[in-house]
Amino acid sequence: EIVLTQSPGTLSLSPGERATLSCRASQTVTSSYLAWYLQKPGQAPRLLIYDASTRATGIPDRFSGSGSGTDFTLTISRLDPEDFAVYYCQQYGSSPITFGQGTRLEIK
Amino acid sequence: QVQLVQSGAEVKKPGASVKVSCKASGYTFTTYGVSWVRQAPGQGLEWMGWVNTYDGNTDYALRFEGRVIMTADIPTTTAYMELRSLRSDDTAIYYCARTYGSGDDYYYGMDVWGRGTTVTVSS
Repeated sequence: EIVLTQSPGTLSLSPGERATLSCRASQTVTSSYLAWYLQKPGQAPRLLIYDASTRATGIPDRFSGSGSGTDFTLTISRLDPEDFAVYYCQQYGSSPITFGQGTRLEIK
Repeated sequence: QVQLVQSGAEVKKPGASVKVSCKASGYTFTTYGVSWVRQAPGQGLEWMGWVNTYDGNTDYALRFEGRVIMTADIPTTTAYMELRSLRSDDTAIYYCARTYGSGDDYYYGMDVWGRGTTVTVSS
């Protein structure tokens, strides 16, 4: 099973700033099959990025993903107030599908 | 529009079973499989398994093998997840999510999610 470790656990930033979230895998993620999700309180997760760098339908271009192998990054170029939530990475390149433990992005 | 509508909240006693439904609409049901993901209170996301809606094949996470059954009914475009021998630590929100794949390989992440079904296990 591939273990995903996200860092930092909590990130405190202000609207308009740039956010960088990390996801490290315990072994190579096949074909960079890595996704990022955002979850707001009381809501289901929402797909942001798949295949490490492809934005899902309707996702603004301030969200970008990068990385390969074992190291992946989600960057939010200019934080909007609606971006403050919990972010999860997920690998789906090999079964079982696994998630990281999440990064909480909070308003500073 | 594309959506997954889940059944309502459940309260069960330890040792009982629960069956959660997930009705799909707005797309060709058999083109995509359905994953089940759960989230315990205040915790992260945990993948439980996946069902192929076309042929019923399944791929379960090892820790749920023998205790979970995932099925799909094509005429009603509904997927089901049954969890048996419930324990208090099964208390969680259970989500279904559209997942394209074959059971050996998955693609494109989970692009459509249900709103979740709260299952509470308490004596």
